[in-house]
Amino acid sequence: DAGVIQSPRHEVTEMGQEVTLRCKPISGHNSLFWYRQTMMRGLELLIYFNNNVPIDDSGMPEDRFSAKMPNASFSTLKIQPSEPRDSAVYFCASANRVSGANVLTFGAGSRLTVL
Amino acid sequence: AQSVTQLGSHVSVSEGALVLLRCNYSSSVPPYLFWYVQYPNQGLQLLLKYTTGATLVKGINGFEAEFKKSETSFHLTKPSAHMSDAAEYFCAVSAFNTGTASKLTFGTGTRLQVTL
Repeated sequence: DAGVIQSPRHEVTEMGQEVTLRCKPISGHNSLFWYRQTMMRGLELLIYFNNNVPIDDSGMPEDRFSAKMPNASFSTLKIQPSEPRDSAVYFCASANRVSGANVLTFGAGSRLTVL
Repeated sequence: AQSVTQLGSHVSVSEGALVLLRCNYSSSVPPYLFWYVQYPNQGLQLLLKYTTGATLVKGINGFEAEFKKSETSFHLTKPSAHMSDAAEYFCAVSAFNTGTASKLTFGTGTRLQVTL
C-alpha cells in the first residue's frame, strides 16, 4: 500500500488566495483526520470523518476553513481566503477498525506558507 | 475531556544511555494511550500503543512504555539510545472506540537529541 497520500507537499501562496489541500487515505480505512502542526500550538485536530461523515469539526479555526470527504478515497481541506497565520504543516491521517480504529497512519504532510 | 502533558520539550542523552520521555494523561474514561515519533520533514509514525491488558507494552526500535493508572502516566523508555533515535516524540490519548475512530489528543512533543 502506498500509505496516506497528500498533495501538494509544499504550497506557497499570497494572502487572500484560496488553498486546497488533498488527501487520499489508505484503501479500506473508514476514518480520516486533518491535523495542523505549528511551533506555537503543536498538533491540533481540525476535523475528522467516520465513514465519510464529519464527526467533530470543533477544531476548525473559523469559517475560512472547510473540509469535505465526497467518498471513501478522497478528502479536501480548503482555506478561503488564506492568511499568513494559516502557515503550518497540515497532516492527513486515516485509520480502520481492523488494525485498531485509533491507530492513525499519517501522510507526509502539506507545508503551507502564506505570504 | 482528555489531555496529555509531556514533561520536557527537549531531552538530550548520550549514545548508549537510557532514554526516558515522560507523559502524564488526564481522562474521565479508561484511556487508550499512544506514542508516535516524527522524523524531520515526515509525518508521525506509531511507536507503540496501550489499549487493555498488559500494562508494559513494547514497540518498534526497542522502545517500551508502561501504563500506570495510579500515577496517570505512560512514560516511554529505551535502555540504550542510538543516534538514529533523534526525533520528536508525541504522546497521545483517546477514548475507547466502538469500531470507528475517536479523536486522538496529542501532547506538545519532546525533542530527543542524542550526542556522541
